[in-house]
Amino acid sequence: AQSVAQPEDQVNVAEGNPLTVKCTYSVSGNPYLFWYVQYPNRGLQFLLKYITGDNLVKGSYGFEAEFNKSQTSFHLKKPSALVSDSALYFCAVRDGTGGFKTIFGAGTRLFVKA
Amino acid sequence: GAVVSQHPSWVICKSGTSVKIECRSLDFQATTMFWYRQFPKQSLMLMATSNEGSKATYEQGVEKDKFLINHASLTLSTLTVTSAHPEDSSFYICSATSRGRNYNGVEQFFGPGTRLTVL
Repeated sequence: AQSVAQPEDQVNVAEGNPLTVKCTYSVSGNPYLFWYVQYPNRGLQFLLKYITGDNLVKGSYGFEAEFNKSQTSFHLKKPSALVSDSALYFCAVRDGTGGFKTIFGAGTRLFVKA
Repeated sequence: GAVVSQHPSWVICKSGTSVKIECRSLDFQATTMFWYRQFPKQSLMLMATSNEGSKATYEQGVEKDKFLINHASLTLSTLTVTSAHPEDSSFYICSATSRGRNYNGVEQFFGPGTRLTVL
């Protein structure tokens, strides 16, 4: 069975500093990995995904994520955080069998201080 | 393109009544739709997967008779919470996919969610 772990409930970072939001996964076969962001009382917005190819994936709003197969991780990063990046971030995984069933991590709240 | 809407955005109902939530794909045909439930400060829990024209597949622990899902067309899926109780209060989010197609690399699109409060 596939699963996703986000070990941090909250990440605090000062504006302008780099940020990292951690994610590890477990899936049989090749994983499809995703990051989504959620603002209060809103649905999810897609940030980026990894399916195959380069381990470093670039996405929306300056975010990027690095796929590390040996560590089964897919950490979200941004070189310089903005206050407007403050939100709830979800890592998600899908197995590579062709179905669309996606499992989400518990979420990490990012708080960027001005 | 690829917008998913939900209606209503919020609803308050009395215990024992039924509530219907609609999920529509506005500019694409959704071959598969998913319903998620999100509790405060928690993640999304997949409730069920519905394919157009067939019965929904429910996740373990989700009561199919309580959460009725209908995917009657390629643009509409409905979730009906029957005989609602306060513990059904939650944020319900749908998502839609179009098999074999993506929009700027995005394959799964989420609605804005519906907040249900059962008194």
